[in-house]
Amino acid sequence: GAVVSQHPSWVICKSGTSVKIECRSLDFQATTMFWYRQFPKQSLMLMATSNEGSKATYEQGVEKDKFLINHASLTLSTLTVTSAHPEDSSFYICSARTRQGGETQYFGPGTRLLVL
Amino acid sequence: DQQVKQNSPSLSVQEGRISILNCDYTNSMFDYFLWYKKYPAEGPTFLISISSIKDKNEDGRFTVFLNKSAKHLSLHIVPSQPGDSAVYFCAASVRDDKIIFGKGTRLHILP
Repeated sequence: GAVVSQHPSWVICKSGTSVKIECRSLDFQATTMFWYRQFPKQSLMLMATSNEGSKATYEQGVEKDKFLINHASLTLSTLTVTSAHPEDSSFYICSARTRQGGETQYFGPGTRLLVL
Repeated sequence: DQQVKQNSPSLSVQEGRISILNCDYTNSMFDYFLWYKKYPAEGPTFLISISSIKDKNEDGRFTVFLNKSAKHLSLHIVPSQPGDSAVYFCAASVRDDKIIFGKGTRLHILP
């Protein structure tokens, strides 16, 4: 199956700093990538949809100035958490969609962010 | 408003028996349904999907059933194995649009 990687797998940072998370599709081109945040009780919340070469589409309630998304190429999307606060501590997961398998999304392994 | 609902937060099944995970949806425009499996601290893994033009899709031990009139789908795992213990997410989408996830059901396979 299609492979998606994320880097870093975990990060600890001080409150007020910015953190960048990378999401790469390793063996396919992803015109669309998605960023999710996992909340307690295992639910996945879609934060934004990222299309290569265009601005990301953010879900209601997600601050676009706080969670900066860039989809610079067909294999790379980045999420930058700006001025991170302890409440931003969470598990962030990206996914990429490939046409090879229909509308199936393939997920990265996730990034654990802890803001002190 | 939750468009995809998994009403059972957890389910325990004896090893070797059949596990049945249920999912309901409200949006009649959904035309593609998926199941994902997730271990703690890992990203979800795609398991199986079904298009709205079908009512059943089978892949090894996994079978997904779709009842469009009831807006209900289910995932059957048989026989259940210890490695199946995980959280299972039901998901749905309208073609070319984002995938909407349910809240997940934690499956425990008992020895």
